[in-house]
Amino acid sequence: NAGVTQTPKFQVLKTGQSMTLQCAQDMNHNSMYWYRQDPGMGLRLIYYSASEGTTDKGEVPNGYNVSRLNKREFSLRLESAAPSQTSVYFCASSAGGFHNSPLHFGNGTRLTVT
Amino acid sequence: EDQVTQSPEALRLQEGESSSLNCSYTVSGLRGLFWYRQDPGKGPEFLFTLYSAGEEKEKERLKATLTKKESFLHITAPKPEDSATYLCAVQATRSGTALIFGKGTTLSVSS
Repeated sequence: NAGVTQTPKFQVLKTGQSMTLQCAQDMNHNSMYWYRQDPGMGLRLIYYSASEGTTDKGEVPNGYNVSRLNKREFSLRLESAAPSQTSVYFCASSAGGFHNSPLHFGNGTRLTVT
Repeated sequence: EDQVTQSPEALRLQEGESSSLNCSYTVSGLRGLFWYRQDPGKGPEFLFTLYSAGEEKEKERLKATLTKKESFLHITAPKPEDSATYLCAVQATRSGTALIFGKGTTLSVSS
């Protein structure tokens, strides 16, 4: 039982490049989330998907797009990376449709944009 | 504006030296308060959920309590393996489904 798996673990991009962060969960959870974590700041929600087929913006959605490919997979895309997007990105899932259910996090993707 | 503030930012303890971490919150209406533990290079791991003032939850050496303005994470006789960053998060009525996370308290326990 792997839980939440994120790929890649590390990535370096140049300004303007694009990339997709992948996330998959094997817990049959309905809801999935993308957060970013920056030094000196709390985790901030980028996008979430309450159920398969739906996605909604979080606190900091600008510069990102998401796709809920199926119940297991939720990807985050940076179309044109900027240095301000240098961060650690965490994917999470939960059984419930809202945050009343505990979040299960992956181990993150460390992204540097130069 | 909904806010979550954790203190102290960092805490160093000797093994066996009990202490408490604080999470104070200002929210429109509390729907739930969550504690997570985060080890270096890892994602946060869920510890507790508290929903109403007066509620308490325990797990091994950790005990979480909740009042109308703050939550405490009490650590009794800590061990070096308790070293981690502890995150507090709240779900507020105004924030909808989003959790508002504090910046965390980094705990170091030395033997």
